[in-house]
Amino acid sequence: GENVEQHPSTLSVQEGDSAVIKCTYSDSASNYFPWYKQELGKRPQLIIDIRSNVGEKKDQRIAVTLNKTAKHFSLHITETQPEDSAVYFCAASPLRYSTLTFGKGTMLLVSP
Amino acid sequence: DSGVTQTPKHLITATGQRVTLRCSPRSGDLSVYWYQQSLDQGLQFLIQYYNGEERAKGNILERFSAQQFPDLHSELNLSSLELGDSALYFCASSPQAGGGTGELFFGEGSRLTVL
Repeated sequence: GENVEQHPSTLSVQEGDSAVIKCTYSDSASNYFPWYKQELGKRPQLIIDIRSNVGEKKDQRIAVTLNKTAKHFSLHITETQPEDSAVYFCAASPLRYSTLTFGKGTMLLVSP
Repeated sequence: DSGVTQTPKHLITATGQRVTLRCSPRSGDLSVYWYQQSLDQGLQFLIQYYNGEERAKGNILERFSAQQFPDLHSELNLSSLELGDSALYFCASSPQAGGGTGELFFGEGSRLTVL
């Protein structure tokens, strides 16, 4: 089955800096790559996703890039704010009707 | 509010006991997924139901079972509980059959503590 590795496990930045979280996946058939944000004590929520026919997608301060050849994708957050502090999970799905496999998460800490 | 309701929010029980966690999906969603979240283990997929039928099975222990009822709510049954079963159990729902079709809507989770 699919295996998703996520790095780093913890990331500390100063407010205003950029943050990058990277994920690799094992199944070359994977074609859907969402990112979820989980604030402390809350449920995971989708913040952005990308499909394999697109190399990059942006939504305000967040962007996701995908390199299918290398089988990795990344989340980029610019101009970080304290409210960006959360655990971020990447995920991958091999087929349209397959389940999502999540990475182990990255705890992002943004200091004022 | 995601529209997914999970009960109970918190549950404390003893080793060897059995508990049932309940999930009501968003109105109109046919798929229900169960995930286990332990410290440092991320979100581990347990099982998925689609319109009453088991659709996919992940790393679900034999001591665990689930079902989805005609009204589409789902229950996760955990039996012969062990200390290591202490975790946050999330239910998620989506309109379609697969995780690759779009957003999963998570409930607030049920926190299980086994003493």
